[in-house]
Amino acid sequence: QVQVVESGGGVVQPGRSLRLSCAASGLTFSNYAMHWVRQAPGKGLEWVAVIWYDGSSKYYADSVKGRFTISRDNSKNTLYVQMNSLRAEDTAVYYCARDSQEMSTTYAFDIWGQGTMVTVSS
Amino acid sequence: DIQMTQSPSSLSASVGDRVTITCRASQSISSYLNWYQQKPGKAPKFLIYAASSLQSGVPSRFSGSGSGTDFTLTISSLQPEDFATYYCQQSYNTPLTFGPGTKVDIK
Repeated sequence: QVQVVESGGGVVQPGRSLRLSCAASGLTFSNYAMHWVRQAPGKGLEWVAVIWYDGSSKYYADSVKGRFTISRDNSKNTLYVQMNSLRAEDTAVYYCARDSQEMSTTYAFDIWGQGTMVTVSS
Repeated sequence: DIQMTQSPSSLSASVGDRVTITCRASQSISSYLNWYQQKPGKAPKFLIYAASSLQSGVPSRFSGSGSGTDFTLTISSLQPEDFATYYCQQSYNTPLTFGPGTKVDIK
């Protein structure tokens, strides 16, 4: 079945870096734009970034622009986010989510992973 | 950035009740509005796209309406599995933004 599975979360000190991965299966990964969405403990959902299906375009939330970089390796069916200069306010569950339309972008999220927790704390 | 608001922030309802949640955008977003359901400790689930189109596999008791700035999610007859938090999300432009959520719990 179609699924995406995040990994790479953990506890990291402020100012340090972390890279999250999202492995996709059961879908033609290279045909879909992919997103990262996060949720701080007890809070609502916050969109983080999107990358086009072919990697040609990337967009970020203002809160992470210049610190986070989204990327993908279509040969490995894997999405990444490199998170630098981490802050306490980046503490959240990070979800990988598939854009709902093939070979396009609808900016809607139809498949979600289970999430990976990132805690930024000294 | 487009701000999304939802009302109410929470509501208590009984099984079988008709429930309506409102979402408002800070500017016109046409029909670029999606709805998600999230249960505690779980990932969100995609319910409705383009304001009123039901995602495959979603029960028909869920419906959406609206355009421009004002939208609604309606559950025609609340079922035990529908107790959850519901989020609207605009897909008009980036940065994509969500409403703060509406928690539906048991009366």
